[in-house]
Amino acid sequence: AQSVAQPEDQVNVAEGNPLTVKCTYSVSGNPYLFWYVQYPNRGLQFLLKYITGDNLVKGSYGFEAEFNKSQTSFHLKKPSALVSDSALYFCAVRDQGSARQLTFGSGTQLTVLP
Amino acid sequence: DVKVTQSSRYLVKRTGEKVFLECVQDMDHENMFWYRQDPGLGLRLIYFSYDVKMKEKGDIPEGYSVSREKKERFSLILESASTNQTSMYLCASSLEGQDNSPLHFGNGTRLTVT
Repeated sequence: AQSVAQPEDQVNVAEGNPLTVKCTYSVSGNPYLFWYVQYPNRGLQFLLKYITGDNLVKGSYGFEAEFNKSQTSFHLKKPSALVSDSALYFCAVRDQGSARQLTFGSGTQLTVLP
Repeated sequence: DVKVTQSSRYLVKRTGEKVFLECVQDMDHENMFWYRQDPGLGLRLIYFSYDVKMKEKGDIPEGYSVSREKKERFSLILESASTNQTSMYLCASSLEGQDNSPLHFGNGTRLTVT
């Protein structure tokens, strides 16, 4: 079985500071990992994904995520937060070769304070 | 750019009514999905389809059915709506044959059952 955990329901950060949104996962094989963002009253938008290769993945809007196999983590990061980054962020995982569908985390509400 | 359109943004229905949620995508994607989103629970997969007239149950199919008569359209049906089906419903699509293909989401339908 596959699962994903986002341990923080809410993250607050000041504008201009670095931000991190945490995600840990559990799979029996190798993972495909994704981050999505949801703005108010909208559907989810794809940010970035890890498939294989380089552990640091760069995505849209200046976001990046680091895959850490030993810690089974895939934390989302941005060097300098913007107020417009305030949104709900979802991590998702799919076990390569054994699962056909994504499993989503419960979401983390990011608030960037001006 | 992929567009996934959900026919209603807000719906209010009475207990026991039959409810249809419609979703159309314009990029010839083979895969289509229905999720429900509830606070603290993230996204949970209700049903999905990999081809016309094909459907598979997701994690929470009870009380729902689906229809896919045309490739671009995927309908979610609540046979007899209940108050515990009050939720945000999200439709998504993706390309077949690419295990790591991102999901493209519609803007969601917020359903209230009274």
